Amino acid sequence: DAGITQSPRHKVTETGTPVTLRCHQTENHRYMYWYRQDPGHGLRLIHYSYGVKDTDKGEVSDGYSVSRSKTEDFLLTLESATSSQTSVYFCAIRLGQGGTYEQYFGPGTRLTVT
Amino acid sequence: SQELEQSPQSLIVQEGKNLTINCTSSKTLYGLYWYKQKYGEGLIFLMMLQKGGEEKSHEKITAKLDEKKQQSSLHITASQPSHAGIYLCGADSELRDDKIIFGKGTRLHILP
Repeated sequence: DAGITQSPRHKVTETGTPVTLRCHQTENHRYMYWYRQDPGHGLRLIHYSYGVKDTDKGEVSDGYSVSRSKTEDFLLTLESATSSQTSVYFCAIRLGQGGTYEQYFGPGTRLTVT
Repeated sequence: SQELEQSPQSLIVQEGKNLTINCTSSKTLYGLYWYKQKYGEGLIFLMMLQKGGEEKSHEKITAKLDEKKQQSSLHITASQPSHAGIYLCGADSELRDDKIIFGKGTRLHILP
């Protein structure tokens, strides 16, 4: 257990509304990641952060933005939700940098856009 | 871009039987990770392999890394219902940019 929580755990929203998902960690890890998981696509990286206010895009970043104003919180925002963003979203932390370190995942947020 | 291919995509085995899941990378493997995901839940880290020829075991699960083949295998001995779920492999990005590339997963069902 790497002390990672995600909120909300489930959300249903309407197309066009903004949505923010929160990832919170308690162990001061520098690297944090947001993924989405979809059938047939596996886990795909949306954005990641390598420190406070330091973020970068992943392979499926269009339509998403992130912010990290504190080490412990990494926020994922869907500015205007679309049905294609219905998915399960996972946050992860990485134990180290510049080498081989595993990632630990949060419990996930199931988002449905109607 | 780097890709990880897992085989088989799904697997149904009788309880007590052995099984193997493979993960093959299109690029050089530096670090290889195995995760398990129970249906509807998050990913649980199983083990990490770094060096060619490395083999690790956890309870009845053994993973090996074949650096030359750019491949890892996950072997479960005497499968149990608790082994059911989705197994995902992940690999350090060839760009060494602190990202992990994931395979699409192997769904494992255990028949009682």
